[in-house]
Amino acid sequence: DTAVSQTPKYLVTQMGNDKSIKCEQNLGHDTMYWYKQDSKKFLKIMFSYNNKELIINETVPNRFSPKSPDKAHLNLHINSLELGDSAVYFCASSQVDTGPQYFGPGTRLTVT
Amino acid sequence: EDQVTQSPEALRLQEGESSSLNCSYTVSGLRGLFWYRQDPGKGPEFLFTLYSAGEEKEKERLKATLTKKESFLHITAPKPEDSATYLCAPGGRDDKIIFGKGTRLHILP
Repeated sequence: DTAVSQTPKYLVTQMGNDKSIKCEQNLGHDTMYWYKQDSKKFLKIMFSYNNKELIINETVPNRFSPKSPDKAHLNLHINSLELGDSAVYFCASSQVDTGPQYFGPGTRLTVT
Repeated sequence: EDQVTQSPEALRLQEGESSSLNCSYTVSGLRGLFWYRQDPGKGPEFLFTLYSAGEEKEKERLKATLTKKESFLHITAPKPEDSATYLCAPGGRDDKIIFGKGTRLHILP
């Protein structure tokens, strides 16, 4: 009965590859987010979706493309991976845009 | 520009030694300040939301307070299992919450 789940938990790939991370929440929340946590543990928002509509799109390279097939799912596709993309990516959800966010376990992406 | 600063960066306490973590923020139109706990290798875990100056929230050995410029997380008689990184995250008018860099708390038995 995991609230926010992500797959995979670990992802090791080479530069130039394309990869996807999947996220699902069973909390019935309307808003979902993607965050990046770098090696210095700084957590920064990338995107947010409300009921499948893109709300927040921070300054992120357009190699990153979120997709929300329904309000319970928000996937992150990354094209042409670079070394600097190595980080932990967290998915989160909230009932309302201004409410507390609930995070998934994270996906550790390593680009070699 | 919205900003948040947490101090100290790291804190080591003996079990039972109470202390406070500080979060200073500059946010236009604060719509809530959130505290999270993050254990190594895990996602942040929601602890509290504070909405207005003077508000306090408590959970076990933790108490969060809020002023117009700062929030404090007070830890009373901590135990080793309270060891974690504590993140402060104020939310502003644009519905984004900004995470601080966190305070790494280590409680020695």
